[in-house]
Amino acid sequence: GAGVSQTPSNKVTEKGKYVELRCDPISGHTALYWYRQSLGQGPEFLIYFQGTGAADDSGLPNDRFFAVRPEGSVSTLKIQRTERGDSAVYLCASSQLPGQKGTEAFFGQGTRLTVV
Amino acid sequence: AQTVTQSQPEMSVQEAETVTLSCTYDTSESDYYLFWYKQPPSRQMILVIRQEAYKQQNATENRFSVNFQKAAKSFSLKISDSQLGDAAMYFCAYRTTNAGNNRKLIWGLGTSLAVNP
Repeated sequence: GAGVSQTPSNKVTEKGKYVELRCDPISGHTALYWYRQSLGQGPEFLIYFQGTGAADDSGLPNDRFFAVRPEGSVSTLKIQRTERGDSAVYLCASSQLPGQKGTEAFFGQGTRLTVV
Repeated sequence: AQTVTQSQPEMSVQEAETVTLSCTYDTSESDYYLFWYKQPPSRQMILVIRQEAYKQQNATENRFSVNFQKAAKSFSLKISDSQLGDAAMYFCAYRTTNAGNNRKLIWGLGTSLAVNP
């Protein structure tokens, strides 16, 4: 597609439920990133994929959070047993091949997750 | 660990005037990238300008320019001839040039810019 697409745009869920957030990167971009942005904060890194593999998952806050990218394109961020503290905007970004200096990351419009 | 600090939570500017947003950072690396991103209410992060640390020349993009002071670890954004559409949150971000797996962006808290007509 023309840009990074994230669905749904907004998601309201009850505490304890499971949610999936989807990211469709720019075609041909091999790198994909997930960030979480809490209200009034800058984004915080969650996980980085290079192709199908998670090259860096050091930002995932705990084992309730998991992300996959099985075919090296679309990625799904999965949150189990949601808590009210998980409420935030989840941003996805993609970029071209790593190793090319200065390749910028293009962002989607995010998914606003509200846990009630 | 690298950190990015934006000390101005809110700024305002009159339309057609110039405004400067501040950013400082801390790193032990000698080569890295610095970015300014704009986030309008649509939530989508839009790259405004990028600076490579090994380049001494300040980056410019039309009405946007930076003042990069490597020794002082300062990276301010100047917006000239401000327009109503410039109103948004502005984030300063850092990224290593390390070709390994450390490719994440490290962000400041942002500055909310209001443009007054």
